[in-house]
Amino acid sequence: NAGVMQNPRHLVRRRGQEARLRCSPMKGHSHVYWYRQLPEEGLKFMVYLQKENIIDESGMPKERFSAEFPKEGPSILRIQQVVRGDSAAYFCASSPERGGQNEQFFGPGTRLTVL
Amino acid sequence: SQKIEQNSEALNIQEGKTATLTCNYTNYSPAYLQWYRQDPGRGPVFLLLIRENEKEKRKERLKVTFDTTLKQSLFHITASQPADSATYLCALKAAGNKLTFGGGTRVLVKP
Repeated sequence: NAGVMQNPRHLVRRRGQEARLRCSPMKGHSHVYWYRQLPEEGLKFMVYLQKENIIDESGMPKERFSAEFPKEGPSILRIQQVVRGDSAAYFCASSPERGGQNEQFFGPGTRLTVL
Repeated sequence: SQKIEQNSEALNIQEGKTATLTCNYTNYSPAYLQWYRQDPGRGPVFLLLIRENEKEKRKERLKVTFDTTLKQSLFHITASQPADSATYLCALKAAGNKLTFGGGTRVLVKP
């Protein structure tokens, strides 16, 4: 039973380019969460999705960032026109039940570096 | 405003001793609180969940307490081992089902 998978593990982009981060939740999990972690800081919630629906995007910047979780395929976090401040580790987590009552299973993260 | 605070200073402890970490929160009324472990370069791993009506929860060498009056949770690692060295995060379920994490406390267990 594979865990949460994220790819790529490392992504380098130049300012102004687009970054696409992928997350495949654990088998049987239909809830996906994206978090951002800056160096030496805690995890910050970005967005919570269920299949084909965005449930809560209150932590996601309104511009340049978007997320989706299609009926088929992985969840995608897209950052358009990246800036240096977007450099961070982006973690995806999944859970089988609604909300945060149950544990969340985290992926290994994607480390984005913006040059 | 809502805050979750953990001691940002690293905790250095001798192998075999008990490590105690603190998680304080303000302006929350959480139904439960979770603790996670994070190793460098990896995603967090769930350790324990404690509900508001539970005073204490144990799992092997780990013990968590939850005092809703003090708005505090304590996380204990008994008989600590060098393999316990990691960053430990507490998390609360905030409004809308998302988890809000504290900044984490780094623990270093010396042999």
